[in-house]
Amino acid sequence: EVQLVQSGAEVRRPGESLTISCETSGYTFITYFLTWVRQVPGIGLEWLGHINPTDSFTEYAPSFEGRVTLSVDKSTRTAFLQLSSLRASDSGTYYCARRDSILTGQDLWGQGTRVTVS
Amino acid sequence: EVVLTQSPDFQSVAPKEKLTITCRASQSVGTSLHWYQQKPGEAPKLLIKYGSQSLSGVPSRFSGSGSETDFTLTISSLEAEDAAMYYCHQTTDSPNTFGQGTKLEIK
Repeated sequence: EVQLVQSGAEVRRPGESLTISCETSGYTFITYFLTWVRQVPGIGLEWLGHINPTDSFTEYAPSFEGRVTLSVDKSTRTAFLQLSSLRASDSGTYYCARRDSILTGQDLWGQGTRVTVS
Repeated sequence: EVVLTQSPDFQSVAPKEKLTITCRASQSVGTSLHWYQQKPGEAPKLLIKYGSQSLSGVPSRFSGSGSETDFTLTISSLEAEDAAMYYCHQTTDSPNTFGQGTKLEIK
């Protein structure tokens, strides 16, 4: 089955860091970019960045630059999001999603990981 | 960054009626504009890519059009299951951005 399965909910204190994983299956891992999107009630959907698993090329949203790091482990077909210096406004649901090119939409999404910073 | 503005923010429509949602970009995004549907507690689902390209498994009542700065998502003959939030999303420019969303209620 083609799917993205994310790690479970996280609770952190302000100033701490977190790592969310996104385990992929059912497709050729290196042929799709992996994108990370955050959803905050009242704010909507925010794009954090994406990574090309072939060469680990990354692109980050300027508002998260310096705090976010995307990576992949090709041996386990897993993508990772690290977010540091957490603040209360980082609370929300984080999604990984795949796209087959840098310009297309995301056709498959993980189930989401709820993050609470308090 | 490219700002995407959707209208309306909310719409209540009866079954079998037609709905059009618009998405206006603050600068040209070519055709790299995509539409998603999101139901409560679920991840977004891609409905239309590149402005007008349908995806396998998406009902034919969903269609998209537009280019450059003006795009529309049309849902013909609405069904109860179409109640959801709808978002547009551009991937031409970095950072990629999303519209603020349109909430659709079925009467």
